[in-house]
Amino acid sequence: SQTIHQWPATLVQPVGSPLSLECTVEGTSNPNLYWYRQAAGRGLQLLFYSVGIGQISSEVPQNLSASRPQDRQFILSSKKLLLSDSGFYLCAWNPGLTKTRTDTQYFGPGTRLTVL
Amino acid sequence: EDKVVQSPLSLVVHEGDTVTLNCSYEVTNFRSLLWYKQEKKAPTFLFMLTSSGIEKKSGRLSSILDKKELSSILNITATQTGDSAIYLCAVDDYKLSFGAGTTVTVRA
Repeated sequence: SQTIHQWPATLVQPVGSPLSLECTVEGTSNPNLYWYRQAAGRGLQLLFYSVGIGQISSEVPQNLSASRPQDRQFILSSKKLLLSDSGFYLCAWNPGLTKTRTDTQYFGPGTRLTVL
Repeated sequence: EDKVVQSPLSLVVHEGDTVTLNCSYEVTNFRSLLWYKQEKKAPTFLFMLTSSGIEKKSGRLSSILDKKELSSILNITATQTGDSAIYLCAVDDYKLSFGAGTTVTVRA
């Protein structure tokens, strides 16, 4: 069966520091991968999605970036964190059969980031 | 711009009550509507609805889609404290757009 991992689970970082959040999926090949951010009291905002290694699409302009160095690994990064980057970051996957961003997505456990 | 609106934003009920959550949407190329339950961490998938008028059921939870009204409802009967969570609605129109969620608190 498929499993999705995220780490770290929680992170407290000072403003201006770098960020690296990691997401890996097991038990499947060639998945579509997604990064979402959930701010308090708000829905999930799609940040990035990837349909394959090295293929990243950005949904919103921001100071974050994403990379997919391996088939089942998705990394969210920032060179300099802002206060507004605080939130709950969720990674998700779904089968990459059609390479469209559709169908049920399955979420990882999330990383709660607090920028002070 | 696509829009998914959930109501109410939050509600508090007592165990045994019935809860009805609403989701309305405006999207260009509707494919499906999904409901998720989010407790402390990751949202977990509940239902995917594609056809109007066909109820999907799982235990005490059920959901139905009305494509004419561009909306869906999620019902929870005989609520339990374990039903306390944020319920998220998402609409797939070649991308998933999420509503802000409804926070349900079930008191013993």
